[in-house]
Amino acid sequence: DAGITQSPRHKVTETGTPVTLRCHQTENHRYMYWYRQDPGHGLRLIHYSYGVKDTDKGEVSDGYSVSRSKTEDFLLTLESATSSQTSVYFCAISESPGTGFGNQPQHFGDGTRLSIL
Amino acid sequence: SQKIEQNSEALNIQEGKTATLTCNYTNYSPAYLQWYRQDPGRGPVFLLLIRENEKEKRKERLKVTFDTTLKQSLFHITASQPADSATYLCALITGGGNKLTFGTGTQLKVEL
Repeated sequence: DAGITQSPRHKVTETGTPVTLRCHQTENHRYMYWYRQDPGHGLRLIHYSYGVKDTDKGEVSDGYSVSRSKTEDFLLTLESATSSQTSVYFCAISESPGTGFGNQPQHFGDGTRLSIL
Repeated sequence: SQKIEQNSEALNIQEGKTATLTCNYTNYSPAYLQWYRQDPGRGPVFLLLIRENEKEKRKERLKVTFDTTLKQSLFHITASQPADSATYLCALITGGGNKLTFGTGTQLKVEL
């Protein structure tokens, strides 16, 4: 398995509180991603990073921010959590695309189950 | 708008048969298409990648086809086993950058 660790694995918090999820990799891959997975919607990209301090928005970025100060760590922050952000969050990593985007597999962590009451 | 569609209904088959899962997409011409497996409570695991100029790709009991005219990929598991029971996701690049978009997945159940 790729060396990806997500923390915490489970979290319950209240609406309006800030929440930070951490993704740590030991593979030295350049690209890192945050997804959320919800029934009926599948995996949806929140933000991704293509290098230290280089990030871009995904499909569902509203209400989320990210930071990447080191190659191995990618943080996802919910500044003020809402019940609609209750979900399972996955981090993924991949090597650089090389000859074209989409030609590298992504390797996923086992997710963080976040409940916002 | 761009869409990736997989059968939302679970596919139930008998052990030893070939399972065929479908991924259809619209309004895009991806250069690559990927397939993943996801078990309950776990993250997706990469299985196969196929390029637009490859009609077919195989890995052990797995076979993927990619028809860019029909805008469809088929994923086959031959000699299926109960251990193949999982949700299978297709994914492709649908915009700028290295951003994958995933289908919602098809759940496969292989029964004894």
